Amino acid sequence: DTVMTQSPLSLPVTPGEPASISCKSSESLLRFNGYTYLDWYLQRPGQSPQLLIYLVSNRASGVPDRFSGSGSGTDFTLEISRVEAEDVGVYYCMQALHTPRTFGQGTKLEIK
Amino acid sequence: DVQLVESGGGFIKPGGSLRLSCAVSGFTFSDAWMSWVRQAPGKGLEWVGRVKSKTDGETVDYAAPVKGRFTIFRDDSQSTLYLEMNSLKTEDTAVYYCTAIITPDDYAGERWGGQGTLVTVSS
Repeated sequence: DTVMTQSPLSLPVTPGEPASISCKSSESLLRFNGYTYLDWYLQRPGQSPQLLIYLVSNRASGVPDRFSGSGSGTDFTLEISRVEAEDVGVYYCMQALHTPRTFGQGTKLEIK
Repeated sequence: DVQLVESGGGFIKPGGSLRLSCAVSGFTFSDAWMSWVRQAPGKGLEWVGRVKSKTDGETVDYAAPVKGRFTIFRDDSQSTLYLEMNSLKTEDTAVYYCTAIITPDDYAGERWGGQGTLVTVSS
């Protein structure tokens, strides 16, 4: 199975400051069609996970532009330019190329 | 508006069976690839399995821990996804979410259900 490794696992951030989460996969997520199948999801406290970013860098509908995704091959990053209180929760990366789908361990973002 | 609503969870003894449902609206269910993902209490996300659309062969894949015990199937006429769980184990205790790839030919991530449905396996 494709192993997804996130870091850090805990991320305390001051409101207005930037934040960055790394996600590394054990094998390439680049498909023959040229797309790289890496998503980011946010699970707010008490809620189900919701899509933030798909195919590395595409924001889902309604996601603020302070969220951005980057990376290629096996190394990926989610960045929040200015953290707000509503960004609290657990962030998961997920590879959507190989079966079974696999998730990172999750990064818990909290406000300082 | 895309909606996925899970139901059918409950308390069940080890070795028992349970069927979960996921009713969807707001997109063409028959075109979607549908999955189940679970989350044990206080833990991360674990993919359970997926069924593709009829157009794509209605192929079903399962995670190793549930293969042979769980069955995923769909009823396109009812826009409903199912998860039949047999020989349940205590380690199957989790909130179960359904997810959808709405346009498999134009991948745009997985859409998730609302609150999930809790399955508790305990003697």
